[in-house]
Amino acid sequence: DIQMTQSPSSLSASVGDRVTITCRASQSISSYLNWYQQKPGKAPKLLIHSASTLQSGVPSRFSGSGSGTDFTLTVASLQLEDLATYYCQQSYSAALTFGGGTKVEI
Amino acid sequence: QVQLQESGPGLVKPSQTLSLTCSVSGDSLKSGLYYWSWIRQPAGKGLEWIGRIYNSGSTNYNPSLKSRVTISVDTSKNQFSLNLNSVTAADTAVYYCARQYTYGSNWFDPWGQGTLVTVSS
Repeated sequence: DIQMTQSPSSLSASVGDRVTITCRASQSISSYLNWYQQKPGKAPKLLIHSASTLQSGVPSRFSGSGSGTDFTLTVASLQLEDLATYYCQQSYSAALTFGGGTKVEI
Repeated sequence: QVQLQESGPGLVKPSQTLSLTCSVSGDSLKSGLYYWSWIRQPAGKGLEWIGRIYNSGSTNYNPSLKSRVTISVDTSKNQFSLNLNSVTAADTAVYYCARQYTYGSNWFDPWGQGTLVTVSS
């Protein structure tokens, strides 16, 4: 299986801060990388697919970058409603795997 | 707008079979554009992909669960189902169904709201 490692596992930031979350794959996955946001008690929601394509309806303060093994999710200016846990997910391998999550506290 | 809704027993005894159904509205399971997947999340933990089915009935499963999992589809009811046998307390989790694109980076969108299944005697 391809292992996905996210860092940090949690972070605390203030409204307006620029926040960056990293996801590292145990082998190259090209751009087969997606990002999800999960708010407490809710189902995950797609933010970004194909490493850098913003899903329709997602605020433009979210962006994704990277390819190969190293990927980042950036929130340009953190808002209160961004309090959530963020997960990366690879689909390079048929055995789909998620990162362990990054909890963002404000 | 596509919506997915999980249903099934919230309590299952150890060693028995966990059975859940996902009802899909606003889209057809006959569409060749998507897989239909199951994902679970133990309380306070991360997400684990269980498996997926295509409209043809072909399946892919998480290798760690493959020996215990069966996913099936009923296109006439626009539903797909999960069976997980020989359950233990470690299978206690919120179970989600989700639509997965068959192209690009195969992302999951949308997801159902999730249903909590507890394995306990």
